[in-house]
Amino acid sequence: EAGVAQSPRYKIIEKRQSVAFWCNPISGHATLYWYQQILGQGPKLLIQFQNNGVVDDSQLPKDRFSAERLKGVDSTLKIQPAKLEDSAVYLCASSLQRGGQDTQYFGPGTRLTVL
Amino acid sequence: QKEVEQDPGPLSVPEGAIVSLNCTYSNSAFQYFMWYRQYSRKGPELLMYTYSSGNKEDGRFTAQVDKSSKYISLFIRDSQPSDSATYLCAMTDTSGSRLTFGEGTQLTVNP
Repeated sequence: EAGVAQSPRYKIIEKRQSVAFWCNPISGHATLYWYQQILGQGPKLLIQFQNNGVVDDSQLPKDRFSAERLKGVDSTLKIQPAKLEDSAVYLCASSLQRGGQDTQYFGPGTRLTVL
Repeated sequence: QKEVEQDPGPLSVPEGAIVSLNCTYSNSAFQYFMWYRQYSRKGPELLMYTYSSGNKEDGRFTAQVDKSSKYISLFIRDSQPSDSATYLCAMTDTSGSRLTFGEGTQLTVNP
C-alpha cells in the first residue's frame, strides 16, 4: 500500500513570496489533514478535510494560508505572502474516516525555509 | 497553560536501558491517547494507541494512561539504537476533534 505522498520535499523562498505544497493521500482515505510543525514543537493542525469539504480550519491563518481538496483526493496548501515565522515542516496526513481517534498516516513533509 | 505538556529532553541512554517518556494534560475530555515516533526528516508514525485508562503492551513498548492524574507514559524496554527518534504524545476526545500533540521528546540510544 502506497503511503501519503508530498511534494516538494524542500522549498526555500524569500519573505513575501508565495509557495504551494501538494499532497496525495492514501487511496480510499476520506479525511485529509495539513499540519504545521515548527522546529522543536509537535505538529499543529492547520486544516482538516472530509472528502472535499472543510471540517476544521480554526487554526489556519486565513489571511495568508489557503487550502483546497478538489474531487476529494489530492490537496494543495498555499501560503501567500510568506513570513519568516512560516518556516516549518508542513505535514500532510490522511485517515480512513473522520475523527481525531482514527489512525492518521503521515507523509514525509515539506520543509519550508523563508529567508 | 498548554493542553499537553511533554518534556522535550533530549534524552540519551545506553543500549539496553529502560526508557520512560511522559506527558501530562489538562483537558479531562481526552479519551484517546497515542504515541507517535518520528525519525529525523520523516513524518510521524503511530506507535501505540490507548483508549481511556489502563496499560497496553506491544513487544518492547508499554503505554500507560492514568486519567485520574492526567498523566500518560510510554516505556521502552531493552532500548535499541534503532529506537533513536523523537517521540510525540497525542490525544483527543470522543467528538472527533483534532489531535493535540505534545512537543516531542528526542531520544538517543547509544550502542
